[in-house]
Amino acid sequence: AAGVIQSPRHLIKEKRETATLKCYPIPRHDTVYWYQQGPGQDPQFLISFYEKMQSDKGSIPDRFSAQQFSDYHSELNMSSLELGDSALYFCASSPGQGGWSDTEAFFGQGTRLTVV
Amino acid sequence: AQSVAQPEDQVNVAEGNPLTVKCTYSVSGNPYLFWYVQYPNRGLQFLLKYITGDNLVKGSYGFEAEFNKSQTSFHLKKPSALVSDSALYFCAVSSEKLTFGTGTRLTIIP
Repeated sequence: AAGVIQSPRHLIKEKRETATLKCYPIPRHDTVYWYQQGPGQDPQFLISFYEKMQSDKGSIPDRFSAQQFSDYHSELNMSSLELGDSALYFCASSPGQGGWSDTEAFFGQGTRLTVV
Repeated sequence: AQSVAQPEDQVNVAEGNPLTVKCTYSVSGNPYLFWYVQYPNRGLQFLLKYITGDNLVKGSYGFEAEFNKSQTSFHLKKPSALVSDSALYFCAVSSEKLTFGTGTRLTIIP
């Protein structure tokens, strides 16, 4: 079965550079979530989209932006990268009305971003 | 606000013994509770969820979890641990977004 696809799997950037992470949800899933997991940390919610509109916002820095496109894939854009942005970035998708109440989220493998 | 607590950073269990990974939660209204497992350098994999119904929920790989409303707990259990169960386990609670606990590293000792 198709899963959530994230690209790239690994990314190395220098400080102050920009990075774009991509997420392709499971077919017919209209909701996408982004999480950031720092080394040894639990995943922290960044932002979510339902039907191409932002549905919720968490601890996402102002330097980051995201959007969901007409084909439901999502991109997380990160500018002015800092060393502290080094983390594993997960995307998840779910079907439904933008909530988790009766579905589980399916997570991608993550993109490991290293800022040097 | 909703929150999840996993009081143990590390749990060690001998292979073949029963295992328990603890989770307590705080949420207004009815809780929706989940367990996820993360293997090294891998994404989060869904194990099981509690939405409503029976307090004992059965999930993947022989895991189960018991919902206890009075104790606001959702402990993960398995009757007989396997070495391959060694991983990082996250409890999570949801309303509109999923909030994770800090994770418990489970090590099964051969």
